[in-house]
Amino acid sequence: ELKVEQNPLFLSMQEGKNYTIYCNYSTTSDRLYWYRQDPGKSLESLFVLLSNGAVKQEGRLMASLDTKARLSTLHITAAVHDLSATYFCAVQTLNNDMRFGAGTRLTVKP
Amino acid sequence: DTGVTQSPTHLIKTRGQQVTLRCSPISGHKSVSWYQQVLGQGPQFIFQYYEKEERGRGNFPDRFSARQFPNYSSELNVNALLLGDSALYLCASSEGTFNSPLHFGNGTRLTVT
Repeated sequence: ELKVEQNPLFLSMQEGKNYTIYCNYSTTSDRLYWYRQDPGKSLESLFVLLSNGAVKQEGRLMASLDTKARLSTLHITAAVHDLSATYFCAVQTLNNDMRFGAGTRLTVKP
Repeated sequence: DTGVTQSPTHLIKTRGQQVTLRCSPISGHKSVSWYQQVLGQGPQFIFQYYEKEERGRGNFPDRFSARQFPNYSSELNVNALLLGDSALYLCASSEGTFNSPLHFGNGTRLTVT
């Protein structure tokens, strides 16, 4: 059974600092997604990573995928308060369902 | 451009009752998926429909059922509600192609008392 593990689950960081969120998954998949969820809100798609070595960047966030290591990372550069949210990685299985990690709750403090 | 719309936004039911949740996908999207999100956890896959046919089913009991209509809207039905069914139910639509991401609605908050 496909398992998706994120770490850390909770992350408190100061504005201006850099940090990386890790997403490990247990079976072969070439489709990995990152989503953001604000409290009480729905999920917003951030990145779609479709191949080994894929790297995508949007603003202060950069996501990468290593399918051989079954690892994706979400790197935060020079964090700002507006990035405070819960971040989920999700892996699409051959059965077309999406398996989500437990989420990383990020708090950026001034 | 209208996003994924779900109704109702909030719902309170008692144990043993039945509930129907509704979802309208983004125009042009043929795939609809349903997810259950318990507070503090990631969404869990319930169903996916594409072109009115079930394409995938998660590990949920038979009390959960769904269907997709010719206009690609969808309903999720839950029978014999249990307290543990209290959650945020998210509907997501996509084009259904290989690299198309899911676009989520705002969800229906179901509380079972």
